[in-house]
Amino acid sequence: AQKITQTQPGMFVQEKEAVTLDCTYDTSDPSYGLFWYKQPSSGEMIFLIYQGSYDQQNATEGRYSLNFQKARKSANLVISASQLGDSAMYFCAMRGGYGGSQGNLIFGKGTKLSVKP
Amino acid sequence: NAGVTQTPKFQVLKTGQSMTLQCAQDMNHNSMYWYRQDPGMGLRLIYYSASEGTTDKGEVPNGYNVSRLNKREFSLRLESAAPSQTSVYFCASSERGITEAFFGQGTRLTVV
Repeated sequence: AQKITQTQPGMFVQEKEAVTLDCTYDTSDPSYGLFWYKQPSSGEMIFLIYQGSYDQQNATEGRYSLNFQKARKSANLVISASQLGDSAMYFCAMRGGYGGSQGNLIFGKGTKLSVKP
Repeated sequence: NAGVTQTPKFQVLKTGQSMTLQCAQDMNHNSMYWYRQDPGMGLRLIYYSASEGTTDKGEVPNGYNVSRLNKREFSLRLESAAPSQTSVYFCASSERGITEAFFGQGTRLTVV
C-alpha cells in the first residue's frame, strides 16, 4: 500500500531564511509522482511542485525546490528566502502510475509552517 | 476559467438527513476525487473516479456514495448524515497519468 509520512506537525522559520519540510513515502510502484501543495488559512489547495520518479534532476519552481532522494524514499520541500506569505499548511502527496494505485492521489498529514518577521 | 467548482460552500445538517455535494470541472479531466479534511488528519480520500463510468473506494468510503454523472461532474452523497461526517470536503480533478490535481474551494459541512 502507498503511504506518505510528514513527521513535522509544525515548523518555525525566520523571514528570509530557508526551510526544509520533510516527506517520506512508501510505494511498490516503479512509476509514481510526488507533489507538494500549500494550504493558506483561507483554505484553498495550491499546487507548488512536482517530481516524477524517473526524473534525474530535482524539481525547482521559483523559491521552491524538491530534494528527491529515491533510495531513501524522501521528497523534502525546500523553500528559500521565506516570506510572511509562506505561512501555511504544506502537504506532500503521491500518485501511482500502475495497477490498482493508478489515479489514487494520497496525502500526508501536513506540516504547519509559521514564518516569523 | 472556473476550474473545479463545488457547491455548496457551507452546509449544516441534522443527524440522519441526506444531502449531495456537487462538483464540476471544466478542464476536460478524466480523473476526479473526493477528499475530507479533518484537523491533524490531512486529506483522506473518500472515493475517486479514474474515468467516466468508473468509481473506486478510497481510504474512508463508509457512509458515502458517489456518482460520476458524466466527464464533468462527480457528486458525493451522504444518505444519513452523522456527526462524525462533520468535515471540510474537497473535490479535485486531474488529467490521466501522473499529473497534479486541481482542487475546488471546499465545502464546510457540519452535522449536528
